[in-house]
Amino acid sequence: DAKTTQPNSMESNEEEPVHLPCNHSTISGTDYIHWYRQLPSQGPEYVIHGLTSNVNNRMASLAIAEDRKSSTLILHRATLRDAAVYYCILINYGGSQGNLIFGKGTKLSVKP
Amino acid sequence: GAGVSQSPRYKVAKRGQDVALRCDPISGHVSLFWYQQALGQGPEFLTYFQNEAQLDKSGLPSDRFFAERPEGSVSTLKIQRTQQEDSAVYLCASSLNPARTGGNTIYFGEGSWLTVV
Repeated sequence: DAKTTQPNSMESNEEEPVHLPCNHSTISGTDYIHWYRQLPSQGPEYVIHGLTSNVNNRMASLAIAEDRKSSTLILHRATLRDAAVYYCILINYGGSQGNLIFGKGTKLSVKP
Repeated sequence: GAGVSQSPRYKVAKRGQDVALRCDPISGHVSLFWYQQALGQGPEFLTYFQNEAQLDKSGLPSDRFFAERPEGSVSTLKIQRTQQEDSAVYLCASSLNPARTGGNTIYFGEGSWLTVV
């Protein structure tokens, strides 16, 4: 599976939008882009995923660049509960076993 | 409950002791994964089951680690002769579909925290 690059950490203020970037310049045409997050002392939880088009769900939005070499996870109004490590993961279901391979992620801090 | 359940939640083992960690996946989920997470690191893949078949055990760090899922539901991760470097959180996860299904969503338990002293 192709590699992703994320900033080690980011800070946000409560109730403001947060844009978490992910670079994946070696992405292949069949790689899905997944985002998971891990709150302190919890297991990771699914946030959102996409392939080519932008995606929205109740937790977040995923904006995928036209060339697919980068993507951005958007939290529309950060809350204190959104403080977590956010992982951007690529999965090529045809070329791999389909398990998640985690990097170091971005640690998001939210200030009141 | 409706989620992935793991037990024990916390385990302290003496070096050389054997431990067994249990995972109850979400009912009906075909896929089951085990991950190991050291302090300050991202989770690392250990092994994968599709129903009762262990299709990938490439991440198991040594032959002291053994996992089984004999009836395709509950799984046990066993660590023999524990060593201090085994101290970590062991995460179990499950998904409804086989792992190689496009867009497959994976659900994690809260983990079993193992400390070897």
